[in-house]
Order: sequence, then C-alpha cells, then structure tokens
Amino acid sequence: DQQVKQNSPSLSVQEGRISILNCDYTNSMFDYFLWYKKYPAEGPTFLISISSIKDKNEDGRFTVFLNKSAKHLSLHIVPSQPGDSAVYFCAASYNNNDMRFGAGTRLTVKP
Amino acid sequence: KAGVTQTPRYLIKTRGQQVTLSCSPISGHRSVSWYQQTPGQGLQFLFEYFSETQRNKGNFPGRFSGRQFSNSRSEMNVSTLELGDSALYLCASSLVQTRTGELFFGEGSRLTVL
Repeated sequence: DQQVKQNSPSLSVQEGRISILNCDYTNSMFDYFLWYKKYPAEGPTFLISISSIKDKNEDGRFTVFLNKSAKHLSLHIVPSQPGDSAVYFCAASYNNNDMRFGAGTRLTVKP
Repeated sequence: KAGVTQTPRYLIKTRGQQVTLSCSPISGHRSVSWYQQTPGQGLQFLFEYFSETQRNKGNFPGRFSGRQFSNSRSEMNVSTLELGDSALYLCASSLVQTRTGELFFGEGSRLTVL
C-alpha cells in the first residue's frame, strides 16, 4: 500500500534552472511532510519539512509547497546546482505513526 | 557528535540463512526505526523502537524481527532469508518518539541473498 507516491523516477535539469520534484499522497490523515536527500553510499539526510497547517515553507534555495485539497506537495530548488544531484525522498506522517516514504526521484543537475 | 552507526556495511548470505544487523543511534536518541530500501520501492518501514519497546510495525512477515537494548542500540534479525530480502537496510534515530521529528539515518547495511 503505497500511501506516498513519487511518480517521476528521474528528473534532469540544467544548472541554474529550477528543479521541481513532485509527491502525491493518499492518506488524508497525514499532517506532516518531509523531504530527504540521499547521495550514493550515504543514508538519507533531512532537507526540509512542512506542517499541514501551512502551504509553503522556504529554506534558502529550497521551498516546499503543500496542496492539501489535491493531496500533493512539491519541492522547488532554485537555482539548481550540480551538488544537488541526488535521490530525493518525500515522506509523510501523522500522530504517532511511522513515517511513510515515496520511492524517490533521482535528480541530475547538468553543468 | 557521532552519527548513526550501522554494522555490518555489506554482507552476503544464502537462502535459508539468518542475519542480524546492528544499529547504534546518535547519543541521547531513544527512538530507532528500521527501513528497507529496494529499487523502485523507496523506503519501506519495518519497525520502530522507543525505550526498548516496539511502538510501530510495518507490513513485513514475521521473519523480520527486532529489539532495542537499554542503551538504545538496536538490532534487527531476518530469519530464513529469501532472494527478495536483498536490499539496503537503513536505521534511523530521533531524539523523541514523534513523527514530526527529523530522522537521522545511518549509511545502511547492504544485504545480498544468493
């Protein structure tokens, strides 16, 4: 039961342009959403999060948007840099339950 | 501050064998979660431990089990290994048992079942 879905397995963008990674979820109980970044041979690292009471959270070049009615969130990276090339996981949770992750999107930023 | 440490990093087993993976959380973290990562499936939640008690469990067969010790270190065990158990097993710790808390992941233990 894949409650968190990342339908794009890969994304390629040019350096300096915007990267938009998308995530959909099916469980309306989710009230907290996170993005993690994973480099090869390393564990995922926390990137940015958003509570369901907000529709936008910004941290430097990274902005997460939440559309609760559409059960959709997105991560915007502006401007994209080659060092952003990694696999990005979307995650969601509610109350005291486990955190559910998507399948990940591999972002490649070309110089 | 040391990060989450997982051992072993790599291991190869054959079908039918059993395996034990170890995870040492960040000092002071009392919650430890385990995830299985396979290509195309993302991170599948296995279980979470807090203060030596299993708090949540994912949809995995009983062959997958775990425990947590008084020092918060955790182990997971997989018995009667199957080819499909080949995956990267990730351990994550957090300061408190809250799903709004950031998870800190280890580098993982890559298991290959032949």
